[in-house]
Amino acid sequence: GNSVTQMEGPVTLSEEAFLTINCTYTATGYPSLFWYVQYPGEGLQLLLKATKADDKGSNKGFEATYRKETTSFHLEKGSVQVSDSAVYFCALRSGTASKLTFGTGTRLQVTL
Amino acid sequence: DTEVTQTPKHLVMGMTNKKSLKCEQHMGHRAMYWYKQKAKKPPELMFVYSYEKLSINESVPSRFSPECPNSSLLNLHLHALQPEDSALYLCASSQLAGVRTGELFFGEGSRLTVL
Repeated sequence: GNSVTQMEGPVTLSEEAFLTINCTYTATGYPSLFWYVQYPGEGLQLLLKATKADDKGSNKGFEATYRKETTSFHLEKGSVQVSDSAVYFCALRSGTASKLTFGTGTRLQVTL
Repeated sequence: DTEVTQTPKHLVMGMTNKKSLKCEQHMGHRAMYWYKQKAKKPPELMFVYSYEKLSINESVPSRFSPECPNSSLLNLHLHALQPEDSALYLCASSQLAGVRTGELFFGEGSRLTVL
């Protein structure tokens, strides 16, 4: 079946620090990969996506590259801001039904 | 317009009440979804509608009853809920169901408390 594994949080960083949140996956078929972000008290917003191997998704300074050889889709940002504090979910869609399968989420807290 | 709108934002109900959650999108999407999210957990899929027909029910108890009156609207009718059903209920839509490259657009959620 499909599954997504994310690093345990919370991740606490100072403003302007470099961010990496690890994500690895197992999938039947050829998945598309997504990062969603959930700010406190809100729904999920799509942050970026990649639909084939070696694609790089990017948005708002965040990037992730679809690595088929390592089955990974790590999220990176060069310089985080306090406003980036949120929960980040890695997710995939694959197979006939193409249900969206989420990882457990990683809470990021950025301090001044 | 890339919005999915959910009402109400907050709902408190007793175990004998009947209430409904509503969801609306005007993006022309033909797939709509209900998810349940407990605190500090990822969303869990409940139902998928494709072209206004129920295509996936993830073995959800019958006290949750979904309805898709038209391609823009999705309801979740609630009856005889239990306190453990308290959660954030998220609606989502996508252009089509079963297309792996398509992203889901989520609403802000309805926070339900069952007393």
